[in-house]
Amino acid sequence: EVKLQQSGDELVRPGASVKMSCKASGYTFTDYAMHWVKQSPGQGLEWIGTIIPLIDTTSYNQKFKGKATLTADKSSNTAYMELSRLTSEDSAVYYCASTKSAPFAYWGQGTLVTVSS
Amino acid sequence: NIVLTQSPATLSVTPGESVSLSCRASQSISTSIHWYQQKSNESPRLLIKYASQSISGIPSRFSGSGSGTDFTLSINRVESEDFSIYYCQQSYSSLYTFGAGTKLELK
Repeated sequence: EVKLQQSGDELVRPGASVKMSCKASGYTFTDYAMHWVKQSPGQGLEWIGTIIPLIDTTSYNQKFKGKATLTADKSSNTAYMELSRLTSEDSAVYYCASTKSAPFAYWGQGTLVTVSS
Repeated sequence: NIVLTQSPATLSVTPGESVSLSCRASQSISTSIHWYQQKSNESPRLLIKYASQSISGIPSRFSGSGSGTDFTLSINRVESEDFSIYYCQQSYSSLYTFGAGTKLELK
């Protein structure tokens, strides 16, 4: 069974950074791309970027270049996303989603990031 | 970027009705469209891949059709558990985009 387990909710100060994780199980981590998606409160889904763990190649939505940094640790089957210089606009739920037969076939449970002083 | 326009924004139906949700792409994307269901406070779930391919574990009342720029998600005889938001998403371009969603609500 494919499972994506995301790290816990975060409360962070404006201007700070946050790094969240997504641990994959039930498939070979390096076989498929991992995507990250943002969902602001009451809003739709927004693709942030994608990492291909096998070759550590990343692609980003232009909107999130400089904001998000995607990495992957093949030894622990875990993908990471770091968000920098946080503002209230970054308060959202962030999902990881893996490709397996379709681009966003499996989803994590989401990590809620709240930016507040 | 490829823009996906979903309509209607909200669809009010009674259980047992059959419905069609539309997704239109700003350029031809062959059949590289996928549909997701998102219930309140849950993660999205893949319903249909590549316009019309079924997904294991998804009820057969959900089906998809279309190619090029116009796509449809059909729900045959809506059940109470189907009231949620539906998103289309394209993978024709690796700069993935989602539609704004259609909310299926109880009339």
